[in-house]
Amino acid sequence: DTAVSQTPKYLVTQMGNDKSIKCEQNLGHDTMYWYKQDSKKFLKIMFSYNNKELIINETVPNRFSPKSPDKAHLNLHINSLELGDSAVYFCASSQDPGNEQFFGPGTRLTVL
Amino acid sequence: KNEVEQSPQNLTAQEGEFITINCSYSVGISALHWLQQHPGGGIVSLFMLSSGKKKHGRLIATINIQEKHSSLHITASHPRDSAVYICAVPDYLLETSGSRLTFGEGTQLTVNP
Repeated sequence: DTAVSQTPKYLVTQMGNDKSIKCEQNLGHDTMYWYKQDSKKFLKIMFSYNNKELIINETVPNRFSPKSPDKAHLNLHINSLELGDSAVYFCASSQDPGNEQFFGPGTRLTVL
Repeated sequence: KNEVEQSPQNLTAQEGEFITINCSYSVGISALHWLQQHPGGGIVSLFMLSSGKKKHGRLIATINIQEKHSSLHITASHPRDSAVYICAVPDYLLETSGSRLTFGEGTQLTVNP
């Protein structure tokens, strides 16, 4: 069974579209994260939720909106996609903030 | 905010060699993470350590909290060890009790047969 899963794995879309990436974890963890990995392979935190509450919100355009319907899910919705949004987005979870993190397989987003 | 530096950025080795990757950070922490990113893109947590040394198979991670430095060693390296190795340290946010990881830029390791 996959511990942290993301869908879709690949997403190709046009500029200006709105898209969502879904993340689910079956580890019973309280904390979930979204990271962005740019073309230079540098990882950067975007958001973190703990018990469905937003606890980290980095300097991210407000076109990005995370939603946590329950502790096992953290979805990422992106409005008005731009070329610069092309990247790999990783979801992760941990038992609590500061603990070991388990990563999803990543979603490669390409904006044309 | 913690600054994380890894060295070297790129490392090429012959199969069987002993590998060392270094990580330094600027602000005291309670624990440091080592991650591995496979050529296919997946990220795996290798170690989370707060003191001393941890060993898992051929991988050994050490940390010196006073010197703000950690090393990842690979003994008897193998081509399947080829990957990007990333160290990460937490920044704790008192206002939200959150913790975010700040990542090093990664070390691309290539082990040739």
